[in-house]
Amino acid sequence: AQSVTQPDIHITVSEGASLELRCNYSYGATPYLFWYVQSPGQGLQLLLKYFSGDTLVQGIKGFEAEFKRSQSSFNLRKPSVHWSDAAEYFCAVAINDYKLSFGAGTTVTVRA
Amino acid sequence: NAGVTQTPKFRVLKTGQSMTLLCAQDMNHEYMYWYRQDPGMGLRLIHYSVGEGTTAKGEVPDGYNVSRLKKQNFLLGLESAAPSQTSVYFCASTESPGLSDTQYFGPGTRLTVL
Repeated sequence: AQSVTQPDIHITVSEGASLELRCNYSYGATPYLFWYVQSPGQGLQLLLKYFSGDTLVQGIKGFEAEFKRSQSSFNLRKPSVHWSDAAEYFCAVAINDYKLSFGAGTTVTVRA
Repeated sequence: NAGVTQTPKFRVLKTGQSMTLLCAQDMNHEYMYWYRQDPGMGLRLIHYSVGEGTTAKGEVPDGYNVSRLKKQNFLLGLESAAPSQTSVYFCASTESPGLSDTQYFGPGTRLTVL
């Protein structure tokens, strides 16, 4: 069965520091991968997605993610975090034409 | 263009009561979904619909029913609420089937069952 693992439940990072969130997937074929962000009290917003081509994907809000097939990973990165990046981040994989399987999420706290 | 909206935003129920959550989208999307979000478990799919008049079970359908009488609306019903259904419920929609298509989410409904 397809699944997504986010190993880090909670990450604290200083404002201006870099951020990397880990995502590992288990999937038999070429995966279609997504990162969503959920700000407190809000719904989920798509940051970026990968489905083919360049393995380094650029998203909104200065985020990028790199697909590494050999490691079954799709890690999210941001070079310099802002206080507004404090949120919960979800990695997801499309498991068929219209269903997503989500990881458990990583909560990011940004300290001044 | 409001996107995906959910009604109500908050609700408190007693065990055994019933209620209906409404999801509406104005993007003319074919596909709609109901998820529940619980701490440490991410989002889990309850039911989904691939078009007006259709519904299908997701990962955790027990205790819930859904209807899609109009393309723009997707209703989630709890016939007899249980404390285990305390959760945050999200509705989402997407335009068409496709592994790369984006799902657009509503703001969520926080439900507490006492």
